[in-house]
This record gives sequence, structure tokens and C-alpha cells, in this order.
Amino acid sequence: AQSVAQPEDQVNVAEGNPLTVKCTYSVSGNPYLFWYVQYPNRGLQFLLKYITGDNLVKGSYGFEAEFNKSQTSFHLKKPSALVSDSALYFCAAFYQKVTFGTGTKLQVIP
Amino acid sequence: GAGVSQSPRYKVAKRGQDVALRCDPISGHVSLFWYQQALGQGPEFLTYFQNEAQLDKSGLPSDRFFAERPEGSVSTLKIQRTQQEDSAVYLCASSQEGSRTTDTQYFGPGTRLTVL
Repeated sequence: AQSVAQPEDQVNVAEGNPLTVKCTYSVSGNPYLFWYVQYPNRGLQFLLKYITGDNLVKGSYGFEAEFNKSQTSFHLKKPSALVSDSALYFCAAFYQKVTFGTGTKLQVIP
Repeated sequence: GAGVSQSPRYKVAKRGQDVALRCDPISGHVSLFWYQQALGQGPEFLTYFQNEAQLDKSGLPSDRFFAERPEGSVSTLKIQRTQQEDSAVYLCASSQEGSRTTDTQYFGPGTRLTVL
């Protein structure tokens, strides 16, 4: 069965510090991996995706993610967190079906 | 508008009522998706259209759920005889091409359905 795990319900980071939001996946083939961000009362906004090629993917708002096939991970990173990055982040795997993780709430502390 | 729009934004229904949720995708987008997002959870896939064809409805939880996209643009998700467990946010997304795996999906703001 296809699954996506986001092991942390919440991540707290000080403004200006680097942030990481973790995602691991279990798919029986080569998945296409996405990160979305959700602000309160708004739909999901696309951040970045990995389809093929370079394992390091750069996306919107300074975010990047690294695809690691051996560890089946696709962690979201940003070198310097902003208070405005505080939101709910979802990792998703698109293969034979679409599977989203349960989300990680990122809290950036001023 | 430039994005995906959904209406109504909020819907309160009494148990047993029928509801219809509308999605206006980005103009020209081939693919359209419906998701159900329960409180504190990630979106769960319901169904997928490529133009007017419903290619996958495997995620619809029961035969009370029905979706259509008759002209390949606007879509309606209908829930008959609503139950309390149907309470959730219903998200619509569209993508430009016909691939359900590689294309970026653009999401609407969702319709929050509350069944009393």
C-alpha cells in the first residue's frame, strides 16, 4: 500500500534559523513527490515537486527539498525561517494514486 | 479569476439533506480532482476527471457521493442523504495537462461542510 509519513505534528524554529520538515514515503515504484503549504481558511498552495533529475529541488519562497531514494525521504528545508512561513505543510506522493501526509504545523518564533 | 474557485465556502446541512458543491477550475485546465479533508488530516482523494470523463472514482466513500463535469469545465460534487461523518472540507484542484501524477495541482479554498 502507498503511504506518506510526516513524523512531526509540529515543528518550532526561531526566526532566522534553518528549518526542516520531514517526509518519508512508501511506494512500490518511483513516485512523484510534492510539497504544499496551507494557510488558515485557504486552499493548498504548491511549493515544489520532484519528478526526475537533480535530487535537490528548489521551489517557491526560498524552500527546497532533497529527494533521497535510499532513505525514501523528501524533507523540506529552508536556510532561514521567516515568521510568515508559519503554516501547515503537506507532503504528497503521486504514483498510481495520490497520497498526502497528515501535515506538519510549522511555527516560526520571532 | 485566475485561480480555482469553490462555492459555497461554508455549508451547513441537516442530516439526510442533499448538498451540491461547485468547483470552477482554472480556465483551460484539463484535469480536475476532488478531495475530502477531515479535521487534522491530509486531503483524501475522492475522484478525478480528464475533461468531461471521470477516469477514477475509487475514492468516493459511498454511492451517496456523485461527481460530474458535463462540459469539461465546472464540476459539481453531490452528496445525497448527508451523514455526520460527511462533515469535512471538500477541496477541488485542477491541473493543466492530463497527467494525474506529474502535473502540479492548483487547489481552491475548499467548501467546509458541517452536517448537524
